[in-house]
Amino acid sequence: AQSVTQPDIHITVSEGASLELRCNYSYGATPYLFWYVQSPGQGLQLLLKYFSGDTLVQGIKGFEAEFKRSQSSFNLRKPSVHWSDAAEYFCAVGPSSGGYQKVTFGTGTKLQVIP
Amino acid sequence: GAGVSQSPRYKVAKRGQDVALRCDPISGHVSLFWYQQALGQGPEFLTYFQNEAQLDKSGLPSDRFFAERPEGSVSTLKIQRTQQEDSAVYLCASTALGTNEQFFGPGTRLTVL
Repeated sequence: AQSVTQPDIHITVSEGASLELRCNYSYGATPYLFWYVQSPGQGLQLLLKYFSGDTLVQGIKGFEAEFKRSQSSFNLRKPSVHWSDAAEYFCAVGPSSGGYQKVTFGTGTKLQVIP
Repeated sequence: GAGVSQSPRYKVAKRGQDVALRCDPISGHVSLFWYQQALGQGPEFLTYFQNEAQLDKSGLPSDRFFAERPEGSVSTLKIQRTQQEDSAVYLCASTALGTNEQFFGPGTRLTVL
């Protein structure tokens, strides 16, 4: 069965500092990997996704993520955090083939940004 | 519409009441998903529709949960005889044919007293 682990429940960073959110997945084949962001009272917004090709993927809002098959990881990074990035971030994994995308989410990492 | 909409945004129910949650997907989107997000958790899959066909309902936690999409557009998630453990945010997402990006609605926060 597919699963996702986000080991950090809360992370606090200073505005302008760099950010890395960790994500480890378990999946038997080549996975489809996603990062979503959820602001309070809002639905989830897709930041970026990886299926194949270049293991470093660029997303919206200046985020990027790197797929490392050997480590089963898909960590999210941003070089300089803005106060508006404060939100909850979810990593997710889904099948790369098959009829539809039954996606499994991690438990999320809540990001706090301090001035 | 421009995005996925859900109604009501908030629902308070007394234990034992039935509730109905509505999802309006993006126009033309074939696939529709329902998720349950408990406090402090990630979304968990409940069920999936392709057009009007419910192809996967493996995530529905009990037979009190029922979902339908009779005309292949709007979907309703119904919970009968609500229990306190049903308190959660219920998210709906839709996907266009041939793509894998799920567009999420804002969710319905259900509180069962």
